[in-house]
Amino acid sequence: DTGVSQDPRHKITKRGQNVTFRCDPISEHNRLYWYRQTLGQGPEFLTYFQNEAQLEKSRLLSDRFSAERPKGSFSTLEIQRTEQGDSAMYLCASSLDSRGTGGQPQHFGDGTRLSIL
Amino acid sequence: GQQVMQIPQYQHVQEGEDFTTYCNSSTTLSNIQWYKQRPGGHPVFLIQLVKSGEVKKQKRLTFQFGEAKKNSSLHITATQTTDVGTYFCAGRSGTSYGKLTFGQGTILTVHP
Repeated sequence: DTGVSQDPRHKITKRGQNVTFRCDPISEHNRLYWYRQTLGQGPEFLTYFQNEAQLEKSRLLSDRFSAERPKGSFSTLEIQRTEQGDSAMYLCASSLDSRGTGGQPQHFGDGTRLSIL
Repeated sequence: GQQVMQIPQYQHVQEGEDFTTYCNSSTTLSNIQWYKQRPGGHPVFLIQLVKSGEVKKQKRLTFQFGEAKKNSSLHITATQTTDVGTYFCAGRSGTSYGKLTFGQGTILTVHP
């Protein structure tokens, strides 16, 4: 178990540029989640995948954000035309499939810290 | 939409004192999870509660899920400096099988 891996660890970019982050989940996990976390707040759900299918997307998620998981393994999160308010830590997590009312523990990566100049 | 609130936002204790954080959801939850995030780290899963009124213990940590499945608490007995970090509750509603809604967390500092 090598854990959830995210790349890059830090990204600094100018406002208006596009950025893309990558997440490699734990290999046997079929669920993958993206969250955004700002200072002093809990992780905010963005979207999640079961295998390659994107099953849920936050209503708060602007259409500038798009996520993919083309082969059901790694995932990418792209932000187009970045704005100052996009500055945050972007966390990826993975888990096994849930059963009934019980969920599965989510395993988080170390995140990508995005800073918009 | 679903909201999860945690109190207090900060808690400073002397080593050896007890600590409790409370979590309240605006809607009934199917289950609740607790995570710990050390400074500079990522959230790490602690436990999951599923049943109404459930109580689980992990060494010095005691977790409770309310009878109405809308609130939860985490109690740490005799805190140690290794308990320092932010404790988050995260709830899942019955209408969303994947989405976890996190509280804003309680930041615990422990003075030796």
